[in-house]
Amino acid sequence: DIQMTQSPSSLSASVGDRVTITCQASQDIRNYLNWYQHKPGKAPKLLIFDASNLETGVPSRFSGSGSGTDFSLTISSLDPDDFATYYCQQYDNLPAGGIITFGPGTTVDIK
Amino acid sequence: QVQLVQSGAEVKKPGSSVKVSCKASGGTFSNYAISWVRQAPGQGLEWMGKIFPVFGTLNYAQKFQGRVTITADKSRVTSYMELSSLRSEDTAVYYCARVVFGMDVWGQGTTVTVSS
Repeated sequence: DIQMTQSPSSLSASVGDRVTITCQASQDIRNYLNWYQHKPGKAPKLLIFDASNLETGVPSRFSGSGSGTDFSLTISSLDPDDFATYYCQQYDNLPAGGIITFGPGTTVDIK
Repeated sequence: QVQLVQSGAEVKKPGSSVKVSCKASGGTFSNYAISWVRQAPGQGLEWMGKIFPVFGTLNYAQKFQGRVTITADKSRVTSYMELSSLRSEDTAVYYCARVVFGMDVWGQGTTVTVSS
């Protein structure tokens, strides 16, 4: 199975900061990588699909990049609403088949 | 716009089973899969498996193979996730999610508590 790692596991930042979270796959996953934001008591929210495509309605301060095994999520200027846990998720051959794996998550909290 | 509505909270005894439903309102089961994801207290998101109702294809995470059964009733536009041989570590919030390009629509979550 493909393993996903994320770094850092947590970070403290201030409103307005630029934040970058990285995600690494144990093998080449091309661009089959999504990013989610998750807040306590709420369902996760899709931010980025296929490594770099912004989901409809997601603010443009979020961006994703990478391919193969190394990926990143960047928040260009942290908003108070962005304090949450972020997960990367890999997939193969959606939607007809394949296994899905989440990374362990990165918690962004207020410095 | 499709919304996913899940069944209510459950409290179960160790060793028993639980079945959670996920109804797609405002749409049909066309051209997308339904994934099931859980989050145990203090833990991250964990993918359990998915079904593609139109084709009937199924994939399960290795960890849950033999213990989880995911089904879909196209006429009721509802997916079900049944987890058997429950133990305390299965206490979690269980989510269903539509899978198109990523999991773009999520149910509200169902809390399952396993306690003697």
